[in-house]
Amino acid sequence: DTGVSQDPRHKITKRGQNVTFRCDPISEHNRLYWYRQTLGQGPEFLTYFQNEAQLEKSRLLSDRFSAERPKGSFSTLEIQRTEQGDSAMYLCASSLDGLNHQPQHFGDGTRLSIL
Amino acid sequence: GQQLNQSPQSMFIQEGEDVSMNCTSSSIFNTWLWYKQDPGEGPVLLIALYKAGELTSNGRLTAQFGITRKDSFLNISASIPSDVGIYFCAGGTGNQFYFGTGTSLTVIP
Repeated sequence: DTGVSQDPRHKITKRGQNVTFRCDPISEHNRLYWYRQTLGQGPEFLTYFQNEAQLEKSRLLSDRFSAERPKGSFSTLEIQRTEQGDSAMYLCASSLDGLNHQPQHFGDGTRLSIL
Repeated sequence: GQQLNQSPQSMFIQEGEDVSMNCTSSSIFNTWLWYKQDPGEGPVLLIALYKAGELTSNGRLTAQFGITRKDSFLNISASIPSDVGIYFCAGGTGNQFYFGTGTSLTVIP
């Protein structure tokens, strides 16, 4: 399978714990995006990487959230001191570069539940 | 974050019927995308549109990039049970895509 891969698929943790998610994009894609999706809503942009550089961050990304893409391939999203409001599906997407907005291809997400 | 307005919010249709849904925004976009999402999975790209007025088909699906660049439309012809799911539009500008609120489609056999 050469699509976007996310791990884990599900994460249940107690409030206050730290969690880390991983995303492996499609191999030739140099753009990588993180989104958050809550029930009944569309995905909301969190942050975007071009290769290893984090170029944009949403206001939704509080200082408890940090994302990295150290070698320009896989990315991690860490949430520190989790809160109940962090419960959501965290989606990763990747795309090629290009003059036009290249379509983003999504992984199946990590569903986070905070107890 | 910004979310685009999709309508209708939900649809219940008989198998074989045609479906129309649309997405509107107060902002201009350079790209429109349409995705389908099944429960527990990520969105799957259906159609990408790059020019105002563009009409693009993918099998039974046809989508249009509105002339004003503030809206887009998706039509599904001769619906089948596997068309069930949530359909999202996404408008692209700068380095971001903004997603709609989704249209939930139920197809009754």
